[in-house]
Amino acid sequence: AQKVTQAQTEISVVEKEDVTLDCVYETRDTTYYLFWYKQPPSGELVFLIRRNSFDEQNEISGRYSWNFQKSTSSFNFTITASQVVDSAVYFCALSEAQGGSEKLVFGKGTKLTVNP
Amino acid sequence: DSGVTQTPKHLITATGQRVTLRCSPRSGDLSVYWYQQSLDQGLQFLIQYYNGEERAKGNILERFSAQQFPDLHSELNLSSLELGDSALYFCASSADPHANTGELFFGEGSRLTVL
Repeated sequence: AQKVTQAQTEISVVEKEDVTLDCVYETRDTTYYLFWYKQPPSGELVFLIRRNSFDEQNEISGRYSWNFQKSTSSFNFTITASQVVDSAVYFCALSEAQGGSEKLVFGKGTKLTVNP
Repeated sequence: DSGVTQTPKHLITATGQRVTLRCSPRSGDLSVYWYQQSLDQGLQFLIQYYNGEERAKGNILERFSAQQFPDLHSELNLSSLELGDSALYFCASSADPHANTGELFFGEGSRLTVL
């Protein structure tokens, strides 16, 4: 069965600190996708990144970076020089994309609070 | 803007009532997914429709039902509402699940409060 674990329920940092959000997943499939979504206080889900299981290259987008390691089934997300606007709940998700369904399995989320 | 439209954005109703949430997918997307986000259960997949037919089912209660119409919009019907049904309900769409892109586009959600 698919499962996504975000062990950190809440993290609080001071502005300009770096912060890493952990994500560990379980799947029996060899083809799958991993995602990170941001949910600001306004409630909408904002797509941040999609990574397929065959691409283990780390990715950097501005202050955001992602570290995908199949050996440890982890897909961690780092925010460098955090800002108050980064305060949100961040969800890691997994999709096995088979059988004509791309339903996502979400972790419980990590609430990040960045204090000025 | 994801291109997925959900109405209403907010809804307050009483226990025992029935409500309908509506979702219009992105133009051209054939698949619609419904998710429920509650405080205790997190984000849970409810059901998926593809081109009018049910494709996958998750943790959807028997009191809930959904359908996708010929114009591809979808409705989620929640009946005999209980306090625990208070949640944020998201709709998402994708172009063609068989393309295996793994990409869903989420609407802004409908927040249901049951009093």
